[in-house]
Amino acid sequence: RKEVEQDPGPFNVPEGATVAFNCTYSNSASQSFFWYRQDCRKEPKLLMSVYSSGNEDGRFTAQLNRASQYISLLIRDSKLSDSATYLCVVNVRTGGFKTIFGAGTRLFVKA
Amino acid sequence: NAGVTQTPKFRVLKTGQSMTLLCAQDMNHEYMYWYRQDPGMGLRLIHYSVGEGTTAKGEVPDGYNVSRLKKQNFLLGLESAAPSQTSVYFCASSYQKSGLAGGSTDTQYFGPGTRLTVL
Repeated sequence: RKEVEQDPGPFNVPEGATVAFNCTYSNSASQSFFWYRQDCRKEPKLLMSVYSSGNEDGRFTAQLNRASQYISLLIRDSKLSDSATYLCVVNVRTGGFKTIFGAGTRLFVKA
Repeated sequence: NAGVTQTPKFRVLKTGQSMTLLCAQDMNHEYMYWYRQDPGMGLRLIHYSVGEGTTAKGEVPDGYNVSRLKKQNFLLGLESAAPSQTSVYFCASSYQKSGLAGGSTDTQYFGPGTRLTVL
C-alpha cells in the first residue's frame, strides 16, 4: 500500500464547476500536509498548506481529518487555468523527517 | 533572484556513461533535495542534504551519488547510467526554521527539472 494515495483521475469538469480531490495517508506520525500544483512538464509549486482547522485561499479550500488520515482539496468556480496535476504531500516525523508525495490527480477544466 | 536552477535541462546518455546534474539555489536555504519523477508515481527522494558538507540517503539512492561542497549547490552524479534511470529529475530546497528538531516542514521550492534518457 502506498503511504500517500490519490485518485489519479483524470477529472474532466466544465468551467465554473466545483471539484474535490481526496488524499489518504497511512503513517500516523505524519506531521504536516500540503497541496502542490504541477503543470504539464513543469516543476511542482506549493498551492497551500493544510491545517487541522481547515483553511481557505480564494477559490481553494483544504481540509485535514487526522482521525481518518484524510486530506481534501476543494476548488470552486473552476477556471481553465486550474487544469493541472494536484499533488498531495505529507511530511512524516521519523528519526529525522520524510516528505512523501502522492502520485497526483489530473484535472482538466474545459470551456 | 533566480530561485532554484538546474543544468542541464535535457540529456541523453548511453548505458554505462556517467554524468553530473547541477542544482543551484540563491535563497540561502539549508536543505536541498534530489527527486526523480516517473509516470504514475509520486516524486521519490533520491538523496538530500541538511547543510553544507552533509548528505543523506533518501528512498531510492542506489546508482546515485551526491555532494554538497557549497551551501548553494547540490550535485547529483550517475556513475554508470542504466535505462532504469530514465526519468525527470527535480532538485528542491527549503529553509530550516530555527527550533525545529530533526526535520523541516517548510515549503520546498523546485527547480525546472532535468529530463534524462538512458539508451
